[in-house]
Amino acid sequence: EDQVTQSPEALRLQEGESSSLNCSYTVSGLRGLFWYRQDPGKGPEFLFTLYSAGEEKEKERLKATLTKKESFLHITAPKPEDSATYLCAVQGLRAGGTSYGKLTFGQGTILTVHP
Amino acid sequence: DTEVTQTPKHLVMGMTNKKSLKCEQHMGHRAMYWYKQKAKKPPELMFVYSYEKLSINESVPSRFSPECPNSSLLNLHLHALQPEDSALYLCASSQDLRQGVQYFGPGTRLTVT
Repeated sequence: EDQVTQSPEALRLQEGESSSLNCSYTVSGLRGLFWYRQDPGKGPEFLFTLYSAGEEKEKERLKATLTKKESFLHITAPKPEDSATYLCAVQGLRAGGTSYGKLTFGQGTILTVHP
Repeated sequence: DTEVTQTPKHLVMGMTNKKSLKCEQHMGHRAMYWYKQKAKKPPELMFVYSYEKLSINESVPSRFSPECPNSSLLNLHLHALQPEDSALYLCASSQDLRQGVQYFGPGTRLTVT
């Protein structure tokens, strides 16, 4: 069974204080690892997909990296508008190399950036 | 355009009511999903449709009945719900089951009284 663990549960930063969020995962075969941002009462907003170890992707102040066991979401010089819950999810391969499309989510990291 | 729309935004219903949630996408995606999300928890998968056929039912109670009338629309019919069914209901779509990027709608906030 696929498992995803995110840490820390909550992170408070001052504006401009860079940090990283961790996503540890176990999966029989990784089809993809996904990062989403979710604001209160809204649907998750897609950020990044990573498919293989060593892959990195960037978007504005965010950079996602992937190893065989974990992914990091690095936030450089965050601003108050970066405050949100960040969700990590994995999609595993199934028998025969197929994928059902099911995502396994972590519990999320609640990020608060103070001005 | 990666927009998934959901209606209504908010819904309050009694335990004896029948209501429906609607979801629409015009990205040509052939996989569509219903999720349930409780406060401070991640989304929990309920149903998956692939090419308008039900592919996954995550042992959801029969008071929730999904329907996929065509490739752009997904409905969730609700009947005889319980107060514990109150949650944010999210719809998502992806190109197909192999293309894992799921794009989520804004959700419907459901309150069962």
